[in-house]
Amino acid sequence: GNSVTQMEGPVTLSEEAFLTINCTYTATGYPSLFWYVQYPGEGLQLLLKATKADDKGSNKGFEATYRKETTSFHLEKGSVQVSDSAVYFCALPKGHNAGGTSYGKLTFGQGTILTVHP
Amino acid sequence: GAVVSQHPSRVICKSGTSVKIECRSLDFQATTMFWYRQFPKQSLMLMATSNEGSKATYEQGVEKDKFLINHASLTLSTLTVTSAHPEDSSFYICSATLNRYNEQFFGPGTRLTVL
Repeated sequence: GNSVTQMEGPVTLSEEAFLTINCTYTATGYPSLFWYVQYPGEGLQLLLKATKADDKGSNKGFEATYRKETTSFHLEKGSVQVSDSAVYFCALPKGHNAGGTSYGKLTFGQGTILTVHP
Repeated sequence: GAVVSQHPSRVICKSGTSVKIECRSLDFQATTMFWYRQFPKQSLMLMATSNEGSKATYEQGVEKDKFLINHASLTLSTLTVTSAHPEDSSFYICSATLNRYNEQFFGPGTRLTVL
């Protein structure tokens, strides 16, 4: 099945600093790629997605480009804010097995804790 | 956008009791819902896949009799933690699949504390 490796944290930045969280994947074909964000005490929210190679997903100042050459989907933001403090998860479909029981399942990276200080 | 709710958001119970957690898709029909468990500072662990009108599919290592899942309608799935013990204390999150691109919409989570 597909797998994802995510940059380990925690990451601590000052406000207005540049952010990069690395994510690389191993997959069959070209599945959709996702970044989810989890704010303290809450469930996950979809931050952005890309459905095909070379697509750039963007939302709330965050961007990630689907790069098939490097099998990467790094998350970037030019100027972080205190309110961006959260856990960020890279994810992609789990892939299909012979029984087809993986439909709809996602596999997640281990998560990166981001803390932004004023 | 698609909204998924969970109820309750927090529950505290005594050891040996059963707890039911509801997951609802509020503005769309979800044929497939997922249940996750998350330990502090860790990633999500998929527990089971819930399909409307059929039995849930459990991931390896998850006790079916311990975590009962019922997907009664296209907008409701329930997770019942039976005979809960302190080691079942965790954050339980559900999600629902909207389309073939595997995009999932997550509920806000339920914090279970077993005393």
